Amino acid sequence: QSALTQPASVSGSPGQSITISCAGTSSDVGGYNYVSWYQQHPGKAPKVVIYDVNNRPSGVSNRFSGSKSGNTASLTISGLQAEDEADYYCNSYTSSSTWVFGGGTKLTVL
Amino acid sequence: QLQLQESGPGLVKPSETLSLTCTVSGGSISSSDYYWGWIRQPPGKGLEWIGTIYFSGRTDYNPSLKSRITISIDRSKNQFSLMLSSVTAADTAVYYCARRRHSSSHMDVWGRGTTVTVSS
Repeated sequence: QSALTQPASVSGSPGQSITISCAGTSSDVGGYNYVSWYQQHPGKAPKVVIYDVNNRPSGVSNRFSGSKSGNTASLTISGLQAEDEADYYCNSYTSSSTWVFGGGTKLTVL
Repeated sequence: QLQLQESGPGLVKPSETLSLTCTVSGGSISSSDYYWGWIRQPPGKGLEWIGTIYFSGRTDYNPSLKSRITISIDRSKNQFSLMLSSVTAADTAVYYCARRRHSSSHMDVWGRGTTVTVSS
């Protein structure tokens, strides 16, 4: 299975909004509403910020939102804050009953 | 609240078998509401899904690793384990265990991760 495609890096200034894309195929992202997003700070375990495309776990800021169009999922972070600087990974269920991650995106808050 | 803790050797020799255990505390591994899985991250690289096990013993594995991995569950000890055979330097990584909710993509609880180095 091939990794989902994410941009290697994105950046934005405090207060701005950014969007990270996650491109897959009809056999993964496009075929199921089982896409999640994970935030990972250096040296830490990943933390879920969005699950099932657009659901936000309790305790996660409402500045985080998710969506999907066709075979591409997206994570949007609005009102960027310094603490949002981290690596972000998407994850999707596949038609083979397996799961696949994206390559990861490094978010820099300028 | 529920916590996960990985344990196992930090150093494994090439061609040998890597064995890790994830201990579940604060909840039961026998719940039908969750799957239990392993994810790894090579130094400086991204996350890779390794595989998942259900309380019934049903497993799903990453096709690229399937020939070398076994994930098992010990309900009496509230633990699940990973065995990865014939390791090489490419298997050097931080290994995480995590819980995923049934019928969801939500991996809501993660261990802190354990570093495994493959070297002679």
